[in-house]
Amino acid sequence: AQTVTQSQPEMSVQEAETVTLSCTYDTSENNYYLFWYKQPPSRQMILVIRQEAYKQQNATENRFSVNFQKAAKSFSLKISDSQLGDTAMYFCAFSPHNAGNMLTFGGGTRLMVKP
Amino acid sequence: DTAVSQTPKYLVTQMGNDKSIKCEQNLGHDTMYWYKQDSKKFLKIMFSYNNKELIINETVPNRFSPKSPDKAHLNLHINSLELGDSAVYFCASSQMAAGNTIYFGEGSWLTVV
Repeated sequence: AQTVTQSQPEMSVQEAETVTLSCTYDTSENNYYLFWYKQPPSRQMILVIRQEAYKQQNATENRFSVNFQKAAKSFSLKISDSQLGDTAMYFCAFSPHNAGNMLTFGGGTRLMVKP
Repeated sequence: DTAVSQTPKYLVTQMGNDKSIKCEQNLGHDTMYWYKQDSKKFLKIMFSYNNKELIINETVPNRFSPKSPDKAHLNLHINSLELGDSAVYFCASSQMAAGNTIYFGEGSWLTVV
């Protein structure tokens, strides 16, 4: 069974600065997918970024980028130029390649962006 | 034109009651899911349906019964509600193949008193 761990329950960052959220996972699979989802106070789960394990290049989406270290089973999210609207819970999630499309989530990190 | 919509968004009910949450997606996806988020924000899959067929059923009590009348709908019926069922229930959908983006509804906040 896969497990996903987010070791930072809460973090804060000043507006316009950069913050990195940590995620580690445990799996015996070689091929899988990793995701970061954002859950603002509205509760809606919104996909932030997606990484395919067989791709060495780190995914980027505008101000959001990941540092994917497959050997270390680490998948951190970097948010550059933080904005007040980035305040939310952030969930790291894992999906194995051969088990349909099922997400296993980490426990979440609550990020507060301060003005 | 909400992609994944679920109703009701809020539900307060007494222990022992039976309730249903409805979900519809207009994305043309072949797979739908129910996830549960508990009071500590932990999210866990409950069920997954592909083309109306159950493909994932995690260790969920028999009191929870999903029903998929067609590919675009996945409803969740809960019998004999217990205090521990209080949570936010998220419906979601995607194409079946691993790695496809899963789109979530806004959640249904169930409170059992």
